[in-house]
Amino acid sequence: RKEVEQDPGPFNVPEGATVAFNCTYSNSASQSFFWYRQDCRKEPKLLMSVYSSGNEDGRFTAQLNRASQYISLLIRDSKLSDSATYLCVVRGTYKYIFGTGTRLKVLA
Amino acid sequence: DAGVIQSPRHEVTEMGQEVTLRCKPISGHDYLFWYRQTMMRGLELLIYFNNNVPIDDSGMPEDRFSAKMPNASFSTLKIQPSEPRDSAVYFCASSLDRAPLTRDTQYFGPGTRLTVL
Repeated sequence: RKEVEQDPGPFNVPEGATVAFNCTYSNSASQSFFWYRQDCRKEPKLLMSVYSSGNEDGRFTAQLNRASQYISLLIRDSKLSDSATYLCVVRGTYKYIFGTGTRLKVLA
Repeated sequence: DAGVIQSPRHEVTEMGQEVTLRCKPISGHDYLFWYRQTMMRGLELLIYFNNNVPIDDSGMPEDRFSAKMPNASFSTLKIQPSEPRDSAVYFCASSLDRAPLTRDTQYFGPGTRLTVL
């Protein structure tokens, strides 16, 4: 079993739609959680950290469920510019483990 | 801040040749990570350093790969001899970890796209 698992997608959604991604992790001792965004042929960039109580950043909402060992990302009112691959990242003591990413394509 | 700097951005070489990838982390960052990304395997951690010391190199595929960090502002990843299956994008990342329980995150360089013919 992979340490961090994501549905690779692709998720094709119309502009304005709401889309959600989930990610599961296997190490219950994981301490920090993040969502990164990666555009085609670019480096991954931090989208947002994920807090235990859930957190929101504009159209983006992240949730953490430690009991079930998954994190989620919700994107409301999708824009064309949201098209990218979203990487779930789980951190243990010092190492960051990346999921393989979920590809999102927002259609006009 | 200039961010993480990597060079070269693109490298095309022939099988059997030595390849050296370079990275300059963000000034003041304690940790430096080397990753490899392919379509098939995603982003894989190869090795990481803390204060210039290699901490975990369990992701290095084989003895053909080696990494060094002679000082806080420079690291190299070397492949000798290179093989076609080494073709990938190699990313360097750095982070500032003040304590294990902080939310310090990683910052990636633009990557080196390596093609081995």
